[in-house]
Amino acid sequence: SAVISQKPSRDICQRGTSLTIQCQVDSQVTMMFWYRQQPGQSLTLIATANQGSEATYESGFVIDKFPISRPNLTFSTLTVSNMSPEDSSIYLCSVGGTGGEKLFFGSGTQLSVL
Amino acid sequence: AQSVTQPDIHITVSEGASLELRCNYSYGATPYLFWYVQSPGQGLQLLLKYFSGDTLVQGIKGFEAEFKRSQSSFNLRKPSVHWSDAAEYFCAVGTTGGFKTIFGAGTRLFVKA
Repeated sequence: SAVISQKPSRDICQRGTSLTIQCQVDSQVTMMFWYRQQPGQSLTLIATANQGSEATYESGFVIDKFPISRPNLTFSTLTVSNMSPEDSSIYLCSVGGTGGEKLFFGSGTQLSVL
Repeated sequence: AQSVTQPDIHITVSEGASLELRCNYSYGATPYLFWYVQSPGQGLQLLLKYFSGDTLVQGIKGFEAEFKRSQSSFNLRKPSVHWSDAAEYFCAVGTTGGFKTIFGAGTRLFVKA
């Protein structure tokens, strides 16, 4: 199992600003995943973060908008840049899912953009 | 690329009645399949998973799911629904390369007395 600490848990931000979300795992993992869950919606994979290489982004997500860092095997950050109200969502860090394992999720960051 | 379809946005069942939530997937190889449940304001909890072996898998809380390769389906069932089962249910598929998990749109379950 994995324990994931994610912060901040929530934030209210102004349009045009940026927010960096941090994700700390209690064990070394190869891959970390960032998801977005918009109000009343499912989870959408934003990107996969590998240590030592650039993140792999899913269709519809770009590095300029959602830059990701992965400096070591237990930590990652996701930045939501130049925010607009459409970015209001819950952002989730997760690990696992490889080889049939279940995903472990952080507690999420609830972002509201005014 | 893999994808997951949950055709029912919401379903209402009476307490004590049986339940079946539908899930269809698209993936070129044998996938890993999951059902997660999310209660209001809560995180996701794994109900069950399948990746090989017996195509009927048992999960927690009395849920089961059956993998049907010919229909690309992985439907979730429960013989008798309890009011506490009201939640959002997500079907998900993981690649056998294990690199990512994709979620369906979810089905909201309402339970009436």
